[in-house]
Amino acid sequence: AQTVTQSQPEMSVQEAETVTLSCTYDTSENNYYLFWYKQPPSRQMILVIRQEAYKQQNATENRFSVNFQKAAKSFSLKISDSQLGDTAMYFCAFMRPPLFNDYKLSFGAGTTVTVRA
Amino acid sequence: DTGVSQDPRHKITKRGQNVTFRCDPISEHNRLYWYRQTLGQGPEFLTYFQNEAQLEKSRLLSDRFSAERPKGSFSTLEIQRTEQGDSAMYLCASSLGQGVTRATNEKLFFGSGTQLSVL
Repeated sequence: AQTVTQSQPEMSVQEAETVTLSCTYDTSENNYYLFWYKQPPSRQMILVIRQEAYKQQNATENRFSVNFQKAAKSFSLKISDSQLGDTAMYFCAFMRPPLFNDYKLSFGAGTTVTVRA
Repeated sequence: DTGVSQDPRHKITKRGQNVTFRCDPISEHNRLYWYRQTLGQGPEFLTYFQNEAQLEKSRLLSDRFSAERPKGSFSTLEIQRTEQGDSAMYLCASSLGQGVTRATNEKLFFGSGTQLSVL
């Protein structure tokens, strides 16, 4: 089974500042998918960003970007220009490639992000 | 609303009772997943369906748990003889599978979950 580690239980950031969340994972496979999900107090898990391991270019979605370091098995999330609505728990997740017919996500323990006004 | 919906949102039950949760996935999605999430932790995979076939079950899913997706649309998760350790949030997710090819758009969409409290 894949292991996903998020070493920062909590992070706090001032509104409009930047925060970076770390994630490392363990796999022996060459191709896979990585995700960041956001879970606000409403509990709805919302997909923030997705990275395919065979793509070298880091994914970007508006204020959210990742730093994918395949050799280091690292997948950090940067939130720029933080907004109060970004306050949530953030989960890093791993999915094996579809050739294994295994579409489940393995999640990390999460990082709680609090944006201060 | 075309998202994943789960019912009920909250369930309080006494130890030993049976409970059943329902999940309605996004209508065109052929894959449906159940996860369990305890406080302060990430979701843990329980089981998944492709259409009506249950393709994988986690070892977390004891004999007291059963899931169905009879017509490949909605799904139910039943817990028999509930225990206090079953208290958790049960999340459902769905996705549009693209077969055994490079699934470049494989994304899971989650419901808001059912919070179970076993007294």
